[in-house]
Amino acid sequence: EPEVTQTPSHQVTQMGQEVILRCVPISNHLYFYWYRQILGQKVEFLVSFYNNEISEKSEIFDDQFSVERPDGSNFTLKIRSTKLEDSAMYFCASLRQGVGTEAFFGQGTRLTVV
Amino acid sequence: SQQGEEDPQALSIQEGENATMNCSYKTSINNLQWYRQNSGRGLVHLILIRSNEREKHSGRLRVTLDTSKKSSSLLITASRAADTASYFCATGDNNNDMRFGAGTRLTVKP
Repeated sequence: EPEVTQTPSHQVTQMGQEVILRCVPISNHLYFYWYRQILGQKVEFLVSFYNNEISEKSEIFDDQFSVERPDGSNFTLKIRSTKLEDSAMYFCASLRQGVGTEAFFGQGTRLTVV
Repeated sequence: SQQGEEDPQALSIQEGENATMNCSYKTSINNLQWYRQNSGRGLVHLILIRSNEREKHSGRLRVTLDTSKKSSSLLITASRAADTASYFCATGDNNNDMRFGAGTRLTVKP
């Protein structure tokens, strides 16, 4: 069964450093999403991406965040200057079409900012 | 998109009992989905119900949708310890975001 793959599974970084979280969505999917989940809290929408551009973004997704699909397979989330409060699980999801179809989630990257 | 709000926040039942979780939302939707999350893992899609549907079944899952009350319920029948997880609803409208509520944490005791 096709699956969404995220790397790394765990990343520890110093405050102020840049991090790039990587996702390989399912190959024939068109819509890609990033979510984050602070431990024990809700799953927060960050951004959706379609046709090589941002489709929607939340208030959390400020100038510190960026996404791109550099090579047609990987989908990356970059945090330019990490803060302690960026520590969370980050989940990538892909959908074959829009929000009327099933979202497939990766297993997440646990980001720890120290 | 708006996010759904699940209730209760936490639910603890014995194996074999039924579990009912509710989701409320505020504006009109095209569809509503339920997802499950095992601790620290990615969300797994359970079921999608469209706005013109009132009820849908999948195995031990039964989902209802009442668009007049802007609410949905997820019923898990004959629960098992393996059903222990958090359950989330997400609504879809004409935007491309899909937002989740805080979820219901279900514990099924053996």
